[in-house]
Amino acid sequence: AQSVTQLDSHVSVSEGTPVLLRCNYSSSYSPSLFWYVQHPNKGLQLLLKYTSAATLVKGINGFEAEFKKSETSFHLTKPSAHMSDAAEYFCVVINFNKFYFGSGTKLNVKP
Amino acid sequence: DVKVTQSSRYLVKRTGEKVFLECVQDMDHENMFWYRQDPGLGLRLIYFSYDVKMKEKGDIPEGYSVSREKKERFSLILESASTNQTSMYLCASILDLGQGTEAFFGQGTRLTVV
Repeated sequence: AQSVTQLDSHVSVSEGTPVLLRCNYSSSYSPSLFWYVQHPNKGLQLLLKYTSAATLVKGINGFEAEFKKSETSFHLTKPSAHMSDAAEYFCVVINFNKFYFGSGTKLNVKP
Repeated sequence: DVKVTQSSRYLVKRTGEKVFLECVQDMDHENMFWYRQDPGLGLRLIYFSYDVKMKEKGDIPEGYSVSREKKERFSLILESASTNQTSMYLCASILDLGQGTEAFFGQGTRLTVV
């Protein structure tokens, strides 16, 4: 069973405009959710994590995500994109003591 | 800082060879994972280990085995490499699997099987 679904494989925005990367999850209990970022030829870096505290989670580099249980979503947002945000983003859920990755969303930022 | 080191960044192997990918972490973590990363598929779990000499299959274990003789080292073995195992391989290390625990990743090994 698919534990996490990223709804867009590619997203393209202009610099200075908002970013929305969508993620839906399935979990039998209260999940732990993460967003990781991978820049070209770099390792994976944690952006933010949700652990059943506040539903709005703030991460590094101005990113944030909101946990919505009713919609089983954990979308990643940023008010204003920067060229350096161009990367691939992965939504991750912990289920049964395993980390499950979404298929990734490649963010392109146009000047 | 936690450091997860994979022994090679790039490898080229021939079909049928036995291939060893090594991963070492320096923070005494219990849990280590091997993933492969392919375009459009994200990261898929091959095997994981939650203690020395303990291992569990992930979602795509066929064609792979693992070894964890010491806590800091987790090896992925391709018993007889095939071209469909050409991929990026990522190792991860996690202190515990409780809520909110971050996974730390190595830089990856890009394996090409010819």
